[in-house]
Amino acid sequence: DVKVTQSSRYLVKRTGEKVFLECVQDMDHENMFWYRQDPGLGLRLIYFSYDVKMKEKGDIPEGYSVSREKKERFSLILESASTNQTSMYLCASSLIGLEQYFGPGTRLTVT
Amino acid sequence: EDQVTQSPEALRLQEGESSSLNCSYTVSGLRGLFWYRQDPGKGPEFLFTLYSAGEEKEKERLKATLTKKESFLHITAPKPEDSATYLCAVHGQGAQKLVFGQGTRLTINP
Repeated sequence: DVKVTQSSRYLVKRTGEKVFLECVQDMDHENMFWYRQDPGLGLRLIYFSYDVKMKEKGDIPEGYSVSREKKERFSLILESASTNQTSMYLCASSLIGLEQYFGPGTRLTVT
Repeated sequence: EDQVTQSPEALRLQEGESSSLNCSYTVSGLRGLFWYRQDPGKGPEFLFTLYSAGEEKEKERLKATLTKKESFLHITAPKPEDSATYLCAVHGQGAQKLVFGQGTRLTINP
């Protein structure tokens, strides 16, 4: 079974803090993705990576950065958290062109 | 631009009452259409991949079908534990990412 894990299920941070969300997959997938999910807005792609040290902007990259130093690990960084970044963050991984497998999600609250 | 529209937005059924969820799509060459189930507060769980018109996949009470313009997720004799949001996504030719629909929130009453 594919397993995608995320570092925290719930996280509370203050405005202006630097926030790291980590994602690890155990299936040797080339592709990894970060989404956020908000009521009424659905899943929105923030960044994705198709190889180590490679990254591509998704639909809403502003205010975020990513890092992929190892194939199995993909980190999402909020350089200076803001209240409008309060959301559910979902990581996913896939082989090229195939279905994505999602992690359990991190519910981030920025106060 | 690839697009996915799911209908209805929400569906409430009685236990045992069969129905179908719709996923209409426009894509420049379909590489794959995916169905996911998502429970509240959790990540989406992969259900099916369909690649070409006429293809069908089944899992327990769920059956997914595909035409050139839409996919249906048929739910036969549902149980309360089938209550969830069902998401549809497409992967178009040349695209690097999936395009997701907004989902159908399904509630099965006992």
